[in-house]
Amino acid sequence: QQQVKQSPQSLIVQKGGISIINCAYENTAFDYFPWYQQFPGKGPALLIAIRPDVSEKKEGRFTISFNKSAKQFSLHIMDSQPGDSATYFCAASAGSARQLTFGSGTQLTVLP
Amino acid sequence: EPEVTQTPSHQVTQMGQEVILRCVPISNHLYFYWYRQILGQKVEFLVSFYNNEISEKSEIFDDQFSVERPDGSNFTLKIRSTKLEDSAMYFCASRGDSLSYGYTFGSGTRLTVV
Repeated sequence: QQQVKQSPQSLIVQKGGISIINCAYENTAFDYFPWYQQFPGKGPALLIAIRPDVSEKKEGRFTISFNKSAKQFSLHIMDSQPGDSATYFCAASAGSARQLTFGSGTQLTVLP
Repeated sequence: EPEVTQTPSHQVTQMGQEVILRCVPISNHLYFYWYRQILGQKVEFLVSFYNNEISEKSEIFDDQFSVERPDGSNFTLKIRSTKLEDSAMYFCASRGDSLSYGYTFGSGTRLTVV
């Protein structure tokens, strides 16, 4: 019940295309859903996050879509660039300690 | 921009030895965490620390592990009697206060147990 399931495992997109990564969760206590970007040899960096009281959040080329009833959320990267090539993790947290439960990651490659 | 600093960046240790991984969280943050990432796998929660005590820990965080905040700036993870399967990237993270949910992660320490 604590798992966050992420798909796809890997994604190849042409420059300028849209990258879409999906996540699903079971634990209805989760109330914070961040996406992290990780480059090789680096720690995860917070990209964008959403609370369940909104269905969409947009920051620049990055958008989170959130479907509370389906317990799913997704990351959309518009106008994907080669510099976006990285591993993307969805995550969820709940409770006072706010420990993060991560998805398994998506390795995104944007071709020039 | 404030950073979480981890040292060393890479540590190689013999199986059975003790290691201490060090972290300097962002100075005004109140919540501290350790996560680990086995090569090619997802990031896993180990422990959270608040008000000088452990607030949550995972099943991974057994008696082999301990955390300490020995002074006002450092946050350490000690692994006693290391095993081969402890080889992983260990990330320290910090979070501001109860109203800020976003973490700042360090760049990690790659621990290799041989």
